Amino acid sequence: AQSVTQLDSQVPVFEEAPVELRCNYSSSVSVYLFWYVQYPNQGLQLLLKYLSGSTLVKGINGFEAEFNKSQTSFHLRKPSVHISDTAEYFCAVSDGFQKLVFGTGTRLLVSP
Amino acid sequence: DAGVIQSPRHEVTEMGQEVTLRCKPISGHNSLFWYRQTMMRGLELLIYFNNNVPIDDSGMPEDRFSAKMPNASFSTLKIQPSEPRDSAVYFCASSLDPSQGREQYFGPGTRLTVT
Repeated sequence: AQSVTQLDSQVPVFEEAPVELRCNYSSSVSVYLFWYVQYPNQGLQLLLKYLSGSTLVKGINGFEAEFNKSQTSFHLRKPSVHISDTAEYFCAVSDGFQKLVFGTGTRLLVSP
Repeated sequence: DAGVIQSPRHEVTEMGQEVTLRCKPISGHNSLFWYRQTMMRGLELLIYFNNNVPIDDSGMPEDRFSAKMPNASFSTLKIQPSEPRDSAVYFCASSLDPSQGREQYFGPGTRLTVT
């Protein structure tokens, strides 16, 4: 069975600083990987996804993630964050069938 | 497209009452998912449908919960009788062929409060 670990429940950072949100997964099969963002009182919105090919994936709002098969990681990065990036970020893994397994989420808190 | 539509957006009810949550998926999507989100348990998959057929309901908490998808454009999640511990935000999501890595599109959620 697939599982996702987001070790950091909360990441505080100052505006314009870089940030990395960590995600590790376990799976016995090839996977699809996703990062979603949830703004307050809203549903989840896709940031980016990895299906195959280049291990560096670029998404919306300047975010990118790197798939590392040997370390079973899919960390999310942004070189310079804005106040508006304050939100909850979820990593998810699919088994290539229909279900997504979500991590517990990381709350990114950007302060001026 | 209007995206995934959920109604109501907020529901406050008393313990023991029946609650029905509604979802309209994105037109053309063939998979529909119901999730529950709480502070304690995070985001949980309750049930999902493919081509209107329930595929996996192992996440449904107990017999008080039931879900239907009578056609491709409508689904309901019913709780009868409701209990205070059912208070949560319930999300509906839809997808086109998730087996090919297509993402899920989430609705805005229904915030349920059971007093």
